[in-house]
Amino acid sequence: DTGVSQDPRHKITKRGQNVTFRCDPISEHNRLYWYRQTLGQGPEFLTYFQNEAQLEKSRLLSDRFSAERPKGSFSTLEIQRTEQGDSAMYLCASSSRNFNEKLFFGSGTQLSVL
Amino acid sequence: DQQVKQNSPSLSVQEGRISILNCDYTNSMFDYFLWYKKYPAEGPTFLISISSIKDKNEDGRFTVFLNKSAKHLSLHIVPSQPGDSAVYFCAASREGGSARQLTFGSGTQLTVLP
Repeated sequence: DTGVSQDPRHKITKRGQNVTFRCDPISEHNRLYWYRQTLGQGPEFLTYFQNEAQLEKSRLLSDRFSAERPKGSFSTLEIQRTEQGDSAMYLCASSSRNFNEKLFFGSGTQLSVL
Repeated sequence: DQQVKQNSPSLSVQEGRISILNCDYTNSMFDYFLWYKKYPAEGPTFLISISSIKDKNEDGRFTVFLNKSAKHLSLHIVPSQPGDSAVYFCAASREGGSARQLTFGSGTQLTVLP
């Protein structure tokens, strides 16, 4: 399977705990995005990487959120001191240099903060 | 500030008939539009797109129409099949910045009845 893969698929945590999600993009894609989707809404942009450089961050991305993409391959999204409002589906997507309008999404990580 | 709106949260259609999903946008800077399909517990899957220089794009049973003056686009599926039952998201993007961020609508749940 050469699509975008995300791990874990589901994460249940207690409020105040830290969580980390991983995304492996399509191998030849140099652009990587994180989106968040809550129930009844469409995905909302969080942040964007071109290779290893984090080039854009949404104001939705509070100081408790940090994302990395070391070596321009996989990416991690960490949420510190989770809050119940962080409960959502976290989606990773990637796109190629030559066709960057079309994003390919992974299956997402469903986070539940109790 | 919802720049991309899908005003019908749900739509039911008989198998074999046409499904028409609608989307309105407010930002005249959007120049590329996409439709994604999402099944439960999966990430959105790219379906079809259209550039603002066109008013129609077809791919098999799927056709997207763009009316720039009305800031409206629609997705036609004909004939509809039960496997088309999913949530359909309209998304838009624009030039500028370092990323082609997608702005999504809130989705329309399509149910195709056998």
